[in-house]
Amino acid sequence: EVQLVESGGGLVKPGGSLRLSCAASGFTFSSYGMNWVRQAPGKGLEWVAAISSSGTYTYYADSVKGRFTVSRDDAKSSLYLQMNSLRGEDTAVYFCARGHQLLQPWGQGTLVTVSS
Amino acid sequence: DIQMTQSPSTLSASVGDRVTITCRTSQGIGTWLAWYQQKPGKAPKLLLYGASSLDTGVPSRFSGSGSGTEFTLTISSLQPDDFATYYCQHYHSYPWTFGQGTKVAI
Repeated sequence: EVQLVESGGGLVKPGGSLRLSCAASGFTFSSYGMNWVRQAPGKGLEWVAAISSSGTYTYYADSVKGRFTVSRDDAKSSLYLQMNSLRGEDTAVYFCARGHQLLQPWGQGTLVTVSS
Repeated sequence: DIQMTQSPSTLSASVGDRVTITCRTSQGIGTWLAWYQQKPGKAPKLLLYGASSLDTGVPSRFSGSGSGTEFTLTISSLQPDDFATYYCQHYHSYPWTFGQGTKVAI
């Protein structure tokens, strides 16, 4: 069974940093591009970042460019999101999702709260 | 960036109703469009891709159409399990963007 499990969320102060992880199982992780998508409380979905299957290419939403870094470790079947200079508007549930273009499946999400 | 305009934002319907949701894009994207369903407290689930292709296991009461800048998601006969929020997403070019969502409620 394909499974994605996010971790690393929590409460962080504005300007702080956090690193999210996504552990993948049930498929050949190294063969797939991966994504991070977030959802602010009560709001819609916002694509955040993507990384190619090789790890060579990364893509970011303008709202996080220069602050967030997506990476992967194929040996650990894991995806990461390093988030720096966090702002209140970054408060959201962060989902990882498999796929180069289509996002399927998704993990259950991890909540990041940015507040003083 | 490609902007997505989804309508309506909320839709009140009953079991058995035919429901249509519209998604418009700010520029042509061919058929590089997907639809997702999200239930409260859950992760989204892919329903359709390529504007009209059903993902594996998705009931045939769901259908999609359109190309270019205008797309529709139709549920032919609404079932209790279909009350959820639906999002369109383009994957024509980065950055991917989603529509604002349509909540289908009783």
